[in-house]
Amino acid sequence: DAKTTQPPSMDCAEGRAANLPCNHSTISGNEYVYWYRQIHSQGPQYIIHGLKNNETNEMASLIITEDRKSSTLILPHATLRDTAVYYCIVSSTSGTYKYIFGTGTRLKVLA
Amino acid sequence: DVKVTQSSRYLVKRTGEKVFLECVQDMDHENMFWYRQDPGLGLRLIYFSYDVKMKEKGDIPEGYSVSREKKERFSLILESASTNQTSMYLCASTSGFYEQYFGPGTRLTVT
Repeated sequence: DAKTTQPPSMDCAEGRAANLPCNHSTISGNEYVYWYRQIHSQGPQYIIHGLKNNETNEMASLIITEDRKSSTLILPHATLRDTAVYYCIVSSTSGTYKYIFGTGTRLKVLA
Repeated sequence: DVKVTQSSRYLVKRTGEKVFLECVQDMDHENMFWYRQDPGLGLRLIYFSYDVKMKEKGDIPEGYSVSREKKERFSLILESASTNQTSMYLCASTSGFYEQYFGPGTRLTVT
């Protein structure tokens, strides 16, 4: 079973921030939170990852709660090209680096 | 840029045929993965390999085998294709801690 829970779908107006939540209540100390997105008919694309501190890169920000049981991916100014399925994954930093994908959140950015 | 390539974008095979799906990565990654993706089920791990000639079963290995004779190449083999193996197949690679890089996928139809 997936270690994460995400809402199945969300809408966001173009130009507004998209906030995508993820619950990972069973996360263990050596597991990172990774976010990927998959645009239709393409392979998943890495967005960002973090352990316990908030992270930001050119694509997005990742906010992880202090207890690490949940996180939020923020796309600060969503565009139509951000319409995709977003996956939140927890994975260990050692061993086999296996991912267990859930069904993700289908984000639709509306014009 | 890291590149993961897959031998075919679309493939149509008949029931009972032996099918080879090839994946090549150009970043000297140790770890490679094969997933299948079906509507409503997300991505599921079939097999992975953490070194040449090493392989481990993922969550749904039945009906599949793999081969890794060279570090850059990871092959998925359907010994006798069946209609329930119609799916999108995705290959990925990683050096470990950092993100997985996915190929564009092969959409396999078994008739």
